Amino acid sequence: DAKTTQPPSMDCAEGRAANLPCNHSTISGNEYVYWYRQIHSQGPQYIIHGLKNNETNEMASLIITEDRKSSTLILPHATLRDTAVYYCIVRVVDTDKLIFGTGTRLQVFP
Amino acid sequence: DAGVIQSPRHEVTEMGQEVTLRCKPISGHNSLFWYRQTMMRGLELLIYFNNNVPIDDSGMPEDRFSAKMPNASFSTLKIQPSEPRDSAVYFCASSRIQGSAEAFFGQGTRLTVV
Repeated sequence: DAKTTQPPSMDCAEGRAANLPCNHSTISGNEYVYWYRQIHSQGPQYIIHGLKNNETNEMASLIITEDRKSSTLILPHATLRDTAVYYCIVRVVDTDKLIFGTGTRLQVFP
Repeated sequence: DAGVIQSPRHEVTEMGQEVTLRCKPISGHNSLFWYRQTMMRGLELLIYFNNNVPIDDSGMPEDRFSAKMPNASFSTLKIQPSEPRDSAVYFCASSRIQGSAEAFFGQGTRLTVV
């Protein structure tokens, strides 16, 4: 599976949009981009995934560049409860392995 | 649904003792994963099962670790003998179908080996 690169930490003001970048320059054509987050002391939680089109759900939006070498997770109105470590993962379709990197620690402040 | 249930939530044991961690996946899910999380190594995939069959155990650190899934509703991760470096949070996760995007994680078992 392709590796991902994320900034180790970011800050965001409550109520503002949080934009978390991820670089996956070696991604293959059959690999999806997944985002999970882990709130302190809890198990990771699925957020969203996509192949090449932008995706949106009730939690977040995922913007994937046209060349698929990078993506951005957007939390449109961050709250204090969004403080967590966010993991960007690429995974071959139809496989089960989810390999977690070091992620981005997002701190939302009042 | 109660989600993925792990037991115990906390375990403290002495070095050399056998430790068994338990996991009940979400009903109807047929893929199950065991992860270990430490500050130094982050989240590591140890092993995963599909339809109760171990598919990939390449992440199991050594022969002291073993995992079983005797049926669709139960899995165990055993460490024998335990060592202080096994201290970590162990997570179990399940997903509905092979390749499913969403894996659901349990609350984890915090293991301390003294």
